[in-house]
Amino acid sequence: GAVVSQHPSWVICKSGTSVKIECRSLDFQATTMFWYRQFPKQSLMLMATSNEGSKATYEQGVEKDKFLINHASLTLSTLTVTSAHPEDSSFYICSAKDRGLFEQYFGPGTRLTVT
Amino acid sequence: GDSVTQMEGPVTLSEEAFLTINCTYTATGYPSLFWYVQYPGEGLQLLLKATKADDKGSNKGFEATYRKETTSFHLEKGSVQVSDSAVYFCALSDSEIFHSGGYQKVTFGTGTKLQVIP
Repeated sequence: GAVVSQHPSWVICKSGTSVKIECRSLDFQATTMFWYRQFPKQSLMLMATSNEGSKATYEQGVEKDKFLINHASLTLSTLTVTSAHPEDSSFYICSAKDRGLFEQYFGPGTRLTVT
Repeated sequence: GDSVTQMEGPVTLSEEAFLTINCTYTATGYPSLFWYVQYPGEGLQLLLKATKADDKGSNKGFEATYRKETTSFHLEKGSVQVSDSAVYFCALSDSEIFHSGGYQKVTFGTGTKLQVIP
């Protein structure tokens, strides 16, 4: 089946710094990628949707200047958490889908801890 | 807005026991319903789906029936194995957008951790 990878799998950063998370589709063209955030014992919350070559569409309440999403190629999307604070600590999951297909393929997630 | 409620875990069962994980939903239209599974260290995988009322999704011995009258999509398996230990997510998606192939938003439940012991 289709494989989506994320890097890094976990990261610790200091408050005020920025951190970038990569999401790659390894064996298919990801025309659309999704970024989710998951808090402990809570559901996955969609943060934004990005189509290759276009600006991301952010969900209500998600700060686009804080969570920068770039989807520059059909196999790579990046999420940059700018000026991170401890409340940004969370589990970030990406998923990807090909045009015309329904199923999203999920990455394994990235654990971000801001100290 | 749309929402999904599923039973809290963790659920601990002995091998070969019967499994039920309850899931109910709230949606304005006629959503498609899904169960995703996340094995340790891996991403979510689609386990099964149903797109209209009374449809039964099935895969790997798991089943779930789309019950519109009770707005439920309970996951069942007759005999669980240790390898079924994972986190299970119930989810829904706006059916109309899904069928058009356009942007679709999936709303997830909180996940239920299943642990099967030998």
